[in-house]
Amino acid sequence: EVQLVESGGGLVKPGGSLRLSCAASGFTFSTYSMNWVRQAPGKGLEWVASINSGSYYIYYADSVKGRFTISRDNAKDSLYLQMNSLRVDDTAVYYCARDHSVAAAGYDYWGQGTLVTVSS
Amino acid sequence: DIQMTQSPSTLSASVGDRVTITCRASQSIGPWLAWYQQKPGKAPKLLIYKVSSLENGVPSRFSGSGSGTEFTLAISSLQPDDFATYYCQQYTSFTFGGGTKVDI
Repeated sequence: EVQLVESGGGLVKPGGSLRLSCAASGFTFSTYSMNWVRQAPGKGLEWVASINSGSYYIYYADSVKGRFTISRDNAKDSLYLQMNSLRVDDTAVYYCARDHSVAAAGYDYWGQGTLVTVSS
Repeated sequence: DIQMTQSPSTLSASVGDRVTITCRASQSIGPWLAWYQQKPGKAPKLLIYKVSSLENGVPSRFSGSGSGTEFTLAISSLQPDDFATYYCQQYTSFTFGGGTKVDI
């Protein structure tokens, strides 16, 4: 069974840093592109970042470029999101999501999400 | 960046109704469009990919159509489990539409 479990969320002050993790199981992690998507309270979905299986294609939303870094460790079946210079408007539930096994076909598995709150 | 505009933002319907949700892209995105369903407090669920391909396990009352810049998600006969928020996502630069809440 495919499982994605996020961790690392919490309360942080503006300007602070946080590192999110996503532990994957039930599939061959090293062969899939992975993604982070966030959702501010009461708002819609916002794509944050994507990384391909070998970490050589990495993309970011303009809203996080230069502040967030997506990475992965295929030996540990884990995806990460390093978030620096956090702002109040980064407050959201952060989901990790797996690319569909069919190329360019959306995200077929999602984690349960981890809440990041940026507040003084 | 490609912008995705969904309409309506809210849709009131009854069990058994046929409902359609539209997603418009600011430029052509080819076949690279997916639809998701999200219920409160839950992660999104993929319904349709590449405009019209039904994800495994998704009921056949869901269907997708369109091309270029205009796309539609249709639910042929709304069921109680379908009351949720629906999002489109274009897969050239990954952005989501703003969402359509389907309520009673």
